[in-house]
Amino acid sequence: QKEVEQNSGPLSVPEGAIASLNCTYSDRGSQSFFWYRQYSGKSPELIMFIYSNGDKEDGRFTAQLNKASQYVSLLIRDSQPSDSATYLCAVGAFYAGGTSYGKLTFGQGTILTVHP
Amino acid sequence: DADVTQTPRNRITKTGKRIMLECSQTKGHDRMYWYRQDPGLGLRLIYYSFDVKDINKGEISDGYSVSRQAQAKFSLSLESAIPNQTALYFCATSDPLIGNQPQHFGDGTRLSIL
Repeated sequence: QKEVEQNSGPLSVPEGAIASLNCTYSDRGSQSFFWYRQYSGKSPELIMFIYSNGDKEDGRFTAQLNKASQYVSLLIRDSQPSDSATYLCAVGAFYAGGTSYGKLTFGQGTILTVHP
Repeated sequence: DADVTQTPRNRITKTGKRIMLECSQTKGHDRMYWYRQDPGLGLRLIYYSFDVKDINKGEISDGYSVSRQAQAKFSLSLESAIPNQTALYFCATSDPLIGNQPQHFGDGTRLSIL
């Protein structure tokens, strides 16, 4: 069983619509959650992170976290063709002492296509 | 110039060869990582280093070794390459003030082992 599972793609939405990307994780001890965007042939780019239950908004992006359901999502409002990319969900844990580290577990990615 | 530079960008080699992938950064970050990416599998951590004297294995370190020559340099070696190590390799750094997750990636090295 995969530790971090993303909704299978590819996901296609029209320009201006809301794109919803979903991610579930198996480790209940996970404390930190990240979304990366990766354009074809490029390196990943960190776009959002969330640590607490609820919503976190940054421009057109909203990350939603529900630790009870072990679920994290990324909403992209007013989707643009430039949002077309692969979106990677990543989940991390904190050490008991409160220090996080970069040992993230990544999902397999969801390909998003925004068509005009 | 890129903040995180990987060399080479592409490499084709034969089974059994020793290969070194190099990473250098100008971010001044202590924390550096090596990941590999395979289609449909996301990114998987090979090794990470918190400083020059602190190197740790990731989830898939078998068949790989690393060297942290300086704060700015972190090299990944394949001692005897095998075809299933064909993948896209990324080096990354992180700023602990922001959150310790990898934030700055190099452009990647596409490695093919025949």
